[in-house]
Amino acid sequence: DTGVSQNPRHKITKRGQNVTFRCDPISEHNRLYWYRQTLGQGPEFLTYFQNEAQLEKSRLLSDRFSAERPKGSFSTLEIQRTEQGDSAMYLCASSLGLADYNEQFFGPGTRLTVL
Amino acid sequence: AQSVTQLDSQVPVFEEAPVELRCNYSSSVSVYLFWYVQYPNQGLQLLLKYLSGSTLVKGINGFEAEFNKSQTSFHLRKPSVHISDTAEYFCAVSQKGYQKVTFGTGTKLQVIP
Repeated sequence: DTGVSQNPRHKITKRGQNVTFRCDPISEHNRLYWYRQTLGQGPEFLTYFQNEAQLEKSRLLSDRFSAERPKGSFSTLEIQRTEQGDSAMYLCASSLGLADYNEQFFGPGTRLTVL
Repeated sequence: AQSVTQLDSQVPVFEEAPVELRCNYSSSVSVYLFWYVQYPNQGLQLLLKYLSGSTLVKGINGFEAEFNKSQTSFHLRKPSVHISDTAEYFCAVSQKGYQKVTFGTGTKLQVIP
């Protein structure tokens, strides 16, 4: 088990471009989470999937952001028409179980820089 | 709504000295509480958690935390720190029944040799 992986690890883009990040959770983990972490702040929850269903979404997830988990395995997070304020570390986490609480295992993150 | 406050952004401490990292939370309902550690260039790792039961929670690497409901605090302690404890520590809270975890702004622990 190699843990949660995220690709790419770094992305530099120009304002207005679209970007897509991928997250591969730990095998058989049914829950997957996306967070955003800006400099000097803690991670902020964006959204959460249970299998392929997106069950919770933060108000931070504007209409330029979309996340998918089509087959209940890997997930993608797309940002359209990027803005400089989107520059941040995007973290993915996964967990196993259906209980009220299951430990979330975090990936290394994708650092996005919007020029 | 829930929130977490970590008042200390940086805490310098000498090696083998004790340390306490402070965390206060705000929530109108029952919560779960967590401490995560982030080493340089690594992902977040769960240090310890409080779900229910005993208010004193022991975690990995000799850390422990105490849940104080009346003071809405969940301070992290270690009796003797090591150089390898240098990292950023995040306190976090989630409401029972929800998966969303709210993190504090983090405290950077700098262990001085």
